[in-house]
Amino acid sequence: KNEVEQSPQNLTAQEGEFITINCSYSVGISALHWLQQHPGGGIVSLFMLSSGKKKHGRLIATINIQEKHSSLHITASHPRDSAVYICAVARSNDYKLSFGAGTTVTVRA
Amino acid sequence: NAGVTQTPKFRVLKTGQSMTLLCAQDMNHEYMYWYRQDPGMGLRLIHYSVGEGTTAKGEVPDGYNVSRLKKQNFLLGLESAAPSQTSVYFCASRRPTWNSPLHFGNGTRLTVT
Repeated sequence: KNEVEQSPQNLTAQEGEFITINCSYSVGISALHWLQQHPGGGIVSLFMLSSGKKKHGRLIATINIQEKHSSLHITASHPRDSAVYICAVARSNDYKLSFGAGTTVTVRA
Repeated sequence: NAGVTQTPKFRVLKTGQSMTLLCAQDMNHEYMYWYRQDPGMGLRLIHYSVGEGTTAKGEVPDGYNVSRLKKQNFLLGLESAAPSQTSVYFCASRRPTWNSPLHFGNGTRLTVT
């Protein structure tokens, strides 16, 4: 079983809809990262969380350390939000990160 | 600042050929990583380095070698390419603190025929 599990694997939404992507992990972590990868593109860091909630524009990320769970929300989704969203965890006392398989989001106009 | 730069962007190799992928970062980061990304799978760590002159194996190191002779550069070598090494390769770097974000290069698409 992977240390980091994301759901759903794929998601299609209509423009304007609220989107939620979930990430569950099974190890102790020092931080959790949300990353975005557009088709054929590079990978950019959206958020890094160790507790609570962060907001950037229409994106909101939350983490519950006790539950070992994080969510990424996209409010008022737009076709330009179509991308793969990847959850990654930085394990405690480790140099390395573990990655989820990614969630492919498609937003239709 | 350029951030993390990977070269080349694309490459096609024949089975048995060798090549080196170069990753360069200008942010003075200690930690550098090489990942491969395959359809339906998450990023998998090939090798990583926590400082100049040091390297370590990741999850999928077989068939690859690395070197970190200078802090800003991390090289990934394929000595004898195999079709199973067809993939998109990403380099990343970060500072050695728990709250440091990852910075990725734009990727190298490698096809081995």
